[in-house]
Amino acid sequence: QKEVEQDPGPLSVPEGAIVSLNCTYSNSAFQYFMWYRQYSRKGPELLMYTYSSGNKEDGRFTAQVDKSSKYISLFIRDSQPSDSATYLCAMSSSSNTGKLIFGQGTTLQVKP
Amino acid sequence: NAGVTQTPKFQVLKTGQSMTLQCAQDMNHNSMYWYRQDPGMGLRLIYYSASEGTTDKGEVPNGYNVSRLNKREFSLRLESAAPSQTSVYFCASSTDRGDTEAFFGQGTRLTVV
Repeated sequence: QKEVEQDPGPLSVPEGAIVSLNCTYSNSAFQYFMWYRQYSRKGPELLMYTYSSGNKEDGRFTAQVDKSSKYISLFIRDSQPSDSATYLCAMSSSSNTGKLIFGQGTTLQVKP
Repeated sequence: NAGVTQTPKFQVLKTGQSMTLQCAQDMNHNSMYWYRQDPGMGLRLIYYSASEGTTDKGEVPNGYNVSRLNKREFSLRLESAAPSQTSVYFCASSTDRGDTEAFFGQGTRLTVV
């Protein structure tokens, strides 16, 4: 069983929809939770970062962490075609944020 | 500001050939990493270097060697390439603080035939 599980999709939604992306994990030592966005043939780039449990909002994006359920989510409001990308959850038990365990990635397509 | 630069961007190797993937960062980061990305597997850590002169194994180190040449550069070497090493390789760098992100390069697409 993988330490981090993520539904690979693909997920296709109409423009303006609310998108929910999720990951579950098994390692209770994870404290740092991230969402990376990866456009086709590009490197991942950090979208959201959360330490421990709670919510974090940044514009149209909201990240939630529920450590009791070992479950994290990313919500995208008013989705745009430019949001079409692969979204990767990543986690770490260390403050060294480059040593990460990634989910498989969810491919999202937002149709105009 | 270039960030993390990887060379080459594409490479085709024959089984048994060797090659070195180069990575350089200009952000004065202490830590550098090599990941591979395969379909359905996400990114997996191959090796990392917490500081100049130190390297440690990650999740999938077999078949690879690394060198932290200086603070800026971290190379990944395949001594005898195998088809199972066909992948997209990403280099990343970060500071040591817990509230900062890891920056990734654009990737090297390697095919071993």
